[in-house]
Amino acid sequence: DVRLVESGGGLVKPGGSLRVSCEASGLTFSAYGMSWVRQAPGKGLEWVSFISSSSGRLYYAESVRGRFTISRDNANSSLFLHMSSLRAEDTAVYYCVPTNSFAWSFDYWGQGTLVTVSS
Amino acid sequence: QSALTQPASVSGSPGQSITISCTATTSEVGTSDLVSWYQHHPGKAPKLIIYEATEGPSGVSNRFSASKSGNTASLTISGLQAEDEADYYCCSSAISTTFVFGSGTKVTVL
Repeated sequence: DVRLVESGGGLVKPGGSLRVSCEASGLTFSAYGMSWVRQAPGKGLEWVSFISSSSGRLYYAESVRGRFTISRDNANSSLFLHMSSLRAEDTAVYYCVPTNSFAWSFDYWGQGTLVTVSS
Repeated sequence: QSALTQPASVSGSPGQSITISCTATTSEVGTSDLVSWYQHHPGKAPKLIIYEATEGPSGVSNRFSASKSGNTASLTISGLQAEDEADYYCCSSAISTTFVFGSGTKVTVL
């Protein structure tokens, strides 16, 4: 079974930085593009960022471009999101999601990690 | 404001069929056939139920079906069951925006 375990969430002050991580198992991690998707409290799902299997393509939502950086470590089946200049509106549960590069769908989901930006 | 508009809520009685629409407000998103649908029970991990506009992943109930016509994609749940009560999101991939989710629809089983 595919298992995705996100970690690194927590409370951070506005303007601060945080890195969230994801460890994947049960799939050939290096063959998958990966995305981060978030859900703010009481809001819908929002795609945040995508990284291709070889890290050659990086995409960001306009709301985070220039502040967030996605990266991956295929040797350790890990995905990262470094977040800086955090704002209250970045408060959300962050999901690490394998991305089907043919159907452009999000095939598996974990439980997510909560990031709270507050003073 | 999402480029994909869904009704905020849809309800139905057990055994009935309901349909959730997902309408693109930009032509770029509307012309893509790379539409997927997700079921999300609050507090749990979202689940893929439809990909490529009409295809169902293995293991997903065939009570879920979908279609797309022009700028509107639709998800139909047949034989509505209590366990179908959840939030449902459409998602489209377009070149410049990459991915955009719909505004979400809360399904209530009466």
